[in-house]
Amino acid sequence: DAGVTQSPTHLIKTRGQQVTLRCSPKSGHDTVSWYQQALGQGPQFIFQYYEEEERQRGNFPDRFSGHQFPNYSSELNVNALLLGDSALYLCASSPYVGQGAQAFFGQGTRLTVV
Amino acid sequence: QKEVEQNSGPLSVPEGAIASLNCTYSDRVSQSFFWYRQYSGKSPELIMSIYSNGDKEDGRFTAQLNKASQYVSLLIRDSQPSDSATYLCAVKSGGADGLTFGKGTHLIIQP
Repeated sequence: DAGVTQSPTHLIKTRGQQVTLRCSPKSGHDTVSWYQQALGQGPQFIFQYYEEEERQRGNFPDRFSGHQFPNYSSELNVNALLLGDSALYLCASSPYVGQGAQAFFGQGTRLTVV
Repeated sequence: QKEVEQNSGPLSVPEGAIASLNCTYSDRVSQSFFWYRQYSGKSPELIMSIYSNGDKEDGRFTAQLNKASQYVSLLIRDSQPSDSATYLCAVKSGGADGLTFGKGTHLIIQP
């Protein structure tokens, strides 16, 4: 049983460019959340997708957008990249059932903006 | 603004001793509480979840929750060098909420 998978693992982009990160959830999970983790910080919640809709959003600008596909996989898009967007981007999947739904993380995508 | 506070450490514990990690949270309606372990350069790994007041044990790990004090803790018994990592406390209010994380506590187990 494959866990949460993310691609690519590393990425270098130039300031002002756009980037797309991809995530496949754990088998049996229908909800995908994205997090940004800067060095030395805890992960910060970006948004969550369920049934192909954004259900909740953290305190991130509209440059951050996403999508969920019918097979539950998801993409995170970031436009007009800033140097401060350099971070580890984590995808987490969970079942959409109540408060106890446990989230499992993929290996992350390390984005460097130069 | 939901906040989760953790002592960043480093917390140094001798091998074989009990490591005690603490976390406080600001949102009184929080209902789900999680501990994740994160090795350097890796992604967070879920090690414990707790939803009601009291203790929950799983192997060498015990999670403790006190909702009245808005306090969560993680005890690691018989600490091993492989337990050296950053431990992240995460809180969820319920339903479709995302997780709110603390900054993590860096734990070092000294052989």
